[in-house]
Amino acid sequence: SQQGEEDPQALSIQEGENATMNCSYKTSINNLQWYRQNSGRGLVHLILIRSNEREKHSGRLRVTLDTSKKSSSLLITASRAADTASYFCATGSPFSGGYNKLIFGAGTRLAVHP
Amino acid sequence: DTAVSQTPKYLVTQMGNDKSIKCEQNLGHDTMYWYKQDSKKFLKIMFSYNNKELIINETVPNRFSPKSPDKAHLNLHINSLELGDSAVYFCASSQGTSGEHGEQFFGPGTRLTVL
Repeated sequence: SQQGEEDPQALSIQEGENATMNCSYKTSINNLQWYRQNSGRGLVHLILIRSNEREKHSGRLRVTLDTSKKSSSLLITASRAADTASYFCATGSPFSGGYNKLIFGAGTRLAVHP
Repeated sequence: DTAVSQTPKYLVTQMGNDKSIKCEQNLGHDTMYWYKQDSKKFLKIMFSYNNKELIINETVPNRFSPKSPDKAHLNLHINSLELGDSAVYFCASSQGTSGEHGEQFFGPGTRLTVL
């Protein structure tokens, strides 16, 4: 079954504005990851936050993780038209045999207008 | 150099046919995956191999059979194709499968259309 659920499903903003996307999940996790998918392309890894971390930064990206609420947020600051894409959260959860499995949410479609 | 490559990029075929999708990674990773992305963009894991050994096999019809000849290749063979198999199939790889090294690298996808 689907683990992560992103909110909102779609987001439309102007260049220069900040974009915030949220992700909620249901079970215990080892880590939570965010990926970007441009139209017609594969997914590109953006950032990974471990279950014992609360916040992580990478360039214009800021990710928070609240394991008590089972939620995460991705903030893109000073957005650009090139940020237009779908953004997916994926939870890394323990799997049998000590392996880790990624379960993806349905994604947020971000449109940044010039 | 392309890190994770898939062939073909597009595949259009008739119901009932058998087809294969190939995937290769040149990252030296131990683990490879197949995902299916439906028309609503929902991405679901199908299979995962670690060093040529099957470790994840989700509830997928047995018409789908993955094959890993070596740890750099993971192919997907689909028998008796059905309309519902139409989707984009992504191959991915990662170094290890533990929670510490979860980043996955995705191929460009294969868009399968079953008529």
